[in-house]
Amino acid sequence: DAKTTQPTSMDCAEGRAANLPCNHSTISGNEYVYWYRQIHSQGPQYIIHGLKNNETNEMASLIITEDRKSSTLILPHATLRDTAVYYCIVRVARSSGGSNYKLTFGKGTLLTVNP
Amino acid sequence: SQTIHQWPATLVQPVGSPLSLECTVEGTSNPNLYWYRQAAGRGLQLLFYSVGIGQISSEVPQNLSASRPQDRQFILSSKKLLLSDSGFYLCAWSDPGLTGNSPLHFGNGTRLTVT
Repeated sequence: DAKTTQPTSMDCAEGRAANLPCNHSTISGNEYVYWYRQIHSQGPQYIIHGLKNNETNEMASLIITEDRKSSTLILPHATLRDTAVYYCIVRVARSSGGSNYKLTFGKGTLLTVNP
Repeated sequence: SQTIHQWPATLVQPVGSPLSLECTVEGTSNPNLYWYRQAAGRGLQLLFYSVGIGQISSEVPQNLSASRPQDRQFILSSKKLLLSDSGFYLCAWSDPGLTGNSPLHFGNGTRLTVT
C-alpha cells in the first residue's frame, strides 16, 4: 500500500474551515484514500473516502488532486469537538470471493480547534 | 443500523494472568472483523482479521490469539499476559460487499494495563 505523509499537528480557529493535507505521491490507480479521526480515548471514526472524484458528506469534504498524489480533508466549520487526530490512509480495495482488506494507520495529524 | 460493542472499557491485569476481550457486531451479516492495538503515542497496529467463522489471520507474531466462534463475535485472548501487552485494543468491522472498499467501523476500545 502507498505510504502517506501528514503534518504532525495543526491549529484551527473555531468556526473556520480546517484544511488537513495528505501527501500520497506513490498512490496507484486502484488505491482509495480514506480519512478517519480519533478523539482522545475513543475508537477511530470513519469520515470519508474517495478514489478520483471529490467527495462530500455530512461530516467533511475530500478534495483529491488530479494526479491523485495528494488530498485535502476539509471540515467546513470546525468546532471544539473536532479536536482529534486525523488519519489519512490509502488502500487498495481487494475482492477475493467476498472482499477483505485491512488498513494500516500511521501517526496522523493532531488538529486542535481553538475557541 | 449496525452497532459494535466491545468490553470491558478498561482492564487492569497482573503479569501472567489470562486475558479475554470480547467484541460483537449487530445489524449486519458475515462482516469482516479486526483487532487492532494502539500503544501510547503510536498509530494503530493490526493484530488479527477474520473473514468468517473460524477463519483467523494473524498479522504479527505475539503473545495473543483471536477466535471467531460465531458470525458476529470476535474474541481476543492470551494465556499469560506480558507487560508489553498493555495498550488500547480496538475491535472493528467492515462490510465485505462486492467492491472491497467499504470503511472500517471501530468500537470504543478496551484500555488494558498489565501490572
